[in-house]
Amino acid sequence: GDSVTQMEGPVTLSEEAFLTINCTYTATGYPSLFWYVQYPGEGLQLLLKATKADDKGSNKGFEATYRKETTSFHLEKGSVQVSDSAVYFCALSDFANFGNEKLTFGTGTRLTIIP
Amino acid sequence: GAVVSQHPSRVICKSGTSVKIECRSLDFQATTMFWYRQFPKQSLMLMATSNEGSKATYEQGVEKDKFLINHASLTLSTLTVTSAHPEDSSFYICSSGGLGEEQYFGPGTRLTVT
Repeated sequence: GDSVTQMEGPVTLSEEAFLTINCTYTATGYPSLFWYVQYPGEGLQLLLKATKADDKGSNKGFEATYRKETTSFHLEKGSVQVSDSAVYFCALSDFANFGNEKLTFGTGTRLTIIP
Repeated sequence: GAVVSQHPSRVICKSGTSVKIECRSLDFQATTMFWYRQFPKQSLMLMATSNEGSKATYEQGVEKDKFLINHASLTLSTLTVTSAHPEDSSFYICSSGGLGEEQYFGPGTRLTVT
């Protein structure tokens, strides 16, 4: 079955540091890949997505590239801010089974940015 | 983006009682809603998919008689945990969305069964 393996946290960085959160996946079909973010006290929000190989999703300075050859979708940001402190979830949606709208999530990575 | 609310945000109940959690889409009509469960330091696990006006589809291993889902309108889905036990204590999250589209998540409900 489908699965997502995500870098375990927690991750603590200083402000303006470079961020990478690793994510790899296994899927039987042609998945779309997502990064969701959960700020304290709020629901998960879509951060970025990519729907096919070599696509790059980007938003709020974050980027992730869909790498089919390495089955990866690593999240990166060049200079993090305190406001980026949150829990980040990598997820996939596999469209091999038409009508399967389910998301498969990684375990989440808690990121804390220190001023 | 669209807003999904959950009520209550936290609930404590005694073992053997039932608890109802509401999930509302505030500014759009949600024909499909999803219910997830999240254990500490673990990923969100899909429990069931509910479609407005029809029976919910439960994931393997989820007891449908224990976790009753009702999606009677396009803006409201409810999850009722019946005869709750301490092992049902968890964080329950709902979302709405569809094929290829962004899912909109509620803030979650923390259930503690004593």
